Amino acid sequence: AQRVTQPEKLLSVFKGAPVELKCNYSYSGSPELFWYVQYSRQRLQLLLRHISRESIKGFTADLNKGETSFHLKKPFAQEEDSAMYYCALSANRDDKIIFGKGTRLHILP
Amino acid sequence: DVKVTQSSRYLVKRTGEKVFLECVQDMDHENMFWYRQDPGLGLRLIYFSYDVKMKEKGDIPEGYSVSREKKERFSLILESASTNQTSMYLCASSGARGSYEQYFGPGTRLTVT
Repeated sequence: AQRVTQPEKLLSVFKGAPVELKCNYSYSGSPELFWYVQYSRQRLQLLLRHISRESIKGFTADLNKGETSFHLKKPFAQEEDSAMYYCALSANRDDKIIFGKGTRLHILP
Repeated sequence: DVKVTQSSRYLVKRTGEKVFLECVQDMDHENMFWYRQDPGLGLRLIYFSYDVKMKEKGDIPEGYSVSREKKERFSLILESASTNQTSMYLCASSGARGSYEQYFGPGTRLTVT
């Protein structure tokens, strides 16, 4: 069965420190992976997807098929990065997305 | 600009009432989804639809039904609301098959007393 695991419910990081939000997935095929973000009082939105291989707001994520991971990283945290982050997987090409339980990132001043 | 709207931001209903949550998208998207979002549980898919009058069960369809009479509108129905259906409900849409990015509405916070 497809599954997305985000081991941390809450991650607190000091401003300027590196950030890594962990995501592991379970899927036997070739998944498409995403990170979605929800800032306070805003709607959930796509942050980045692995096929784009781009950096958004300083965040990057690399798909590691050997470790079945898709960790989200940023070298220097900013206060505006405080938000709820969801890792998500699309499998079977049926347009459904399976979300992890989310990690709340709290950037400390 | 992509737009998904939900009929209410906040809703309070009594146990046993029939509840309708409406979602409208203006992007001519084919796919529409209903999720509930609960702390510690993430987003769980209730129902989704690939086309008008089509519906598919998600992971937690019990106690819910849906209606999609028009392409732009996807309604979630709680036949007889219960307190364990108190939650944030999110609607989303996505484009043609193979376009996996979902666009979300602002959410409806439903409280069942």
